[in-house]
Amino acid sequence: TQLLEQSPQFLSIQEGENLTVYCNSSSVFSSLQWYRQEPGEGPVLLVTVVTGGEVKKLKRLTFQFGDARKDSSLHITAAQPGDTGLYLCAGAPNSGYSTLTFGKGTMLLVSP
Amino acid sequence: DAMVIQNPRYQVTQFGKPVTLSCSQTLNHNVMYWYQQKSSQAPKLLFHYYDKDFNNEADTPDNFQSRRPNTSFCFLDIRSPGLGDAAMYLCATSRDIKGSDTQYFGPGTRLTVL
Repeated sequence: TQLLEQSPQFLSIQEGENLTVYCNSSSVFSSLQWYRQEPGEGPVLLVTVVTGGEVKKLKRLTFQFGDARKDSSLHITAAQPGDTGLYLCAGAPNSGYSTLTFGKGTMLLVSP
Repeated sequence: DAMVIQNPRYQVTQFGKPVTLSCSQTLNHNVMYWYQQKSSQAPKLLFHYYDKDFNNEADTPDNFQSRRPNTSFCFLDIRSPGLGDAAMYLCATSRDIKGSDTQYFGPGTRLTVL
């Protein structure tokens, strides 16, 4: 079973601060997805990364896939209260028929 | 406008009393999934349907069953809920089941077992 470890588990910061959350595994993934889940709602996809070393930007969010495709990071610049939520990474072990393995998530709280 | 709809949003049942959770989709996707998510834990895949083909995860208890009568609807049946089955149940869909396919989640049903 491929596991994804996310860190930190919980992060509480002030509006305007920068932060990075991590998603690590000892296994190689063909692709990795980041989702954000707000309280009482289902997860919503933010980005999919498929190439080792790939960097994708979504406004103030920067996602990176490790060169070896075993890890990923999410950096948020100038966090806002609207960024509050549970950030989940999910990996696919291969590019064919496969379901996703989810990490436990990082709960981010951004205070005004 | 909603794409994946789950009913009800909150469900209360009694210990041992069967309960059914509902999911519908307007995306015409081939794949439908059911996940169980407990507090501060990752979503845990229970099973999925690829079209009419049912795929059960190895560690999904027999207490959990699913039905997909057509493309749009999928049901999760819990035959005899225990206290440990209290959780958020998430339904998701995807066009295909390749690793990079986006999964679209419903808002979830929060199940309470008394």
